Amino acid sequence: SQELEQSPQSLIVQEGKNLTINCTSSKTLYGLYWYKQKYGEGLIFLMMLQKGGEEKSHEKITAKLDEKKQQSSLHITASQPSHAGIYLCGADYFDSGGSNYKLTFGKGTLLTVNP
Amino acid sequence: DSGVTQTPKHLITATGQRVTLRCSPRSGDLSVYWYQQSLDQGLQFLIQYYNGEERAKGNILERFSAQQFPDLHSELNLSSLELGDSALYFCASSVGYGLAGGTDTQYFGPGTRLTVL
Repeated sequence: SQELEQSPQSLIVQEGKNLTINCTSSKTLYGLYWYKQKYGEGLIFLMMLQKGGEEKSHEKITAKLDEKKQQSSLHITASQPSHAGIYLCGADYFDSGGSNYKLTFGKGTLLTVNP
Repeated sequence: DSGVTQTPKHLITATGQRVTLRCSPRSGDLSVYWYQQSLDQGLQFLIQYYNGEERAKGNILERFSAQQFPDLHSELNLSSLELGDSALYFCASSVGYGLAGGTDTQYFGPGTRLTVL
């Protein structure tokens, strides 16, 4: 099964509406990252969350990491067509010994914003 | 424009061949990262270099190798190519020694689209 699950897989909203994308890990992560990608183009790094309960903002995009460091939500307020694209979450993991680093990504959420 | 350049933009080759992808990081950035994105596997982290040294390794196959040169540009070598290697290969750079996920802000290049026929 997928280590990092994103939901929903796709989302269509009307311009001006708020929306939330979720990223759930099957185990405690070290760091959680959000990226945006226009279809077939390069990625844009949005933000990193590392502390349980941490919340960060990037323009009208806010992301929060839960206290247990197993789930993050990305919230867009008053969506605009420029917000359209694929949102990906990524997470760092270390094994119990503190070595064996692993970085894994979710499958992405395709966001469409209709004017 | 992120300031990260990748060449070539597109590459079409045959199975069994070897190719080299090139990445020039932003000026002043010491870390370079390589990622592979395909419809089957999604986005995967391959490898990170910091100032010429390997910093972290991800899902990089033994047929693949990378290096970062003294001028900080990086090359990803893919050999004995298979159909399944067809993908978009991204390079990213950042200033510091951060973890591959992006402890310091990463800047991504536009990618090289590799098609193996």
